[in-house]
Amino acid sequence: DGGITQSPKYLFRKEGQNVTLSCEQNLNHDAMYWYRQDPGQGLRLIYYSQIVNDFQKGDIAEGYSVSREKKESFPLTVTSAQKNPTAFYLCASRTSGNYEQYFGPGTRLTVT
Amino acid sequence: ILNVEQSPQSLHVQEGDSTNFTCSFPSSNFYALHWYRWETAKSPEALFVMTLNGDEKKKGRISATLNTKEGYSYLYIKGSQPEDSATYLCARNAGNNRKLIWGLGTSLAVNP
Repeated sequence: DGGITQSPKYLFRKEGQNVTLSCEQNLNHDAMYWYRQDPGQGLRLIYYSQIVNDFQKGDIAEGYSVSREKKESFPLTVTSAQKNPTAFYLCASRTSGNYEQYFGPGTRLTVT
Repeated sequence: ILNVEQSPQSLHVQEGDSTNFTCSFPSSNFYALHWYRWETAKSPEALFVMTLNGDEKKKGRISATLNTKEGYSYLYIKGSQPEDSATYLCARNAGNNRKLIWGLGTSLAVNP
């Protein structure tokens, strides 16, 4: 089945550790996005990538890093520099020429 | 800056009731308006993307209208069913690029 997968569904880390969240899509979409959701806030864009080997910072990129070495994959690393990493993280993708974004199931990260 | 406003924040209706929610956005520099449905434990799913003033779109019992001059969109659900229970998100494109600015959503609960 075509779609977007994010793994794991739940992730627990100790403060000070970097952690990488996986996002894979087999939709052949060009663009991919990472969002963060916190209680009482709308989805906020962390990073996005329009094509392979290119990505741009979103509105809240500090403390995060990404790579886009393959079209299908857009992993997000939450570094120790991110002050409040505990959140729900959503990955999305979109084909060029289309406005709709397709979302993965999300990863809930808890850092203690 | 959160400039997509959704109201009400939450709504409880009885099965069979018709309901509607509002999304407000700046009317200047409009490009596209999106509605998504986000059911608990699932991924957000695109409902509609609208670009033209006066657009009306329909999918089953759900429809949406767009007024770009005054900066609002309505989402209507006719004869609500328990399976309509979800958070309905509105987003607008930030200019002509593919970034989306999201509202906080309207949480709908349909009681059987």
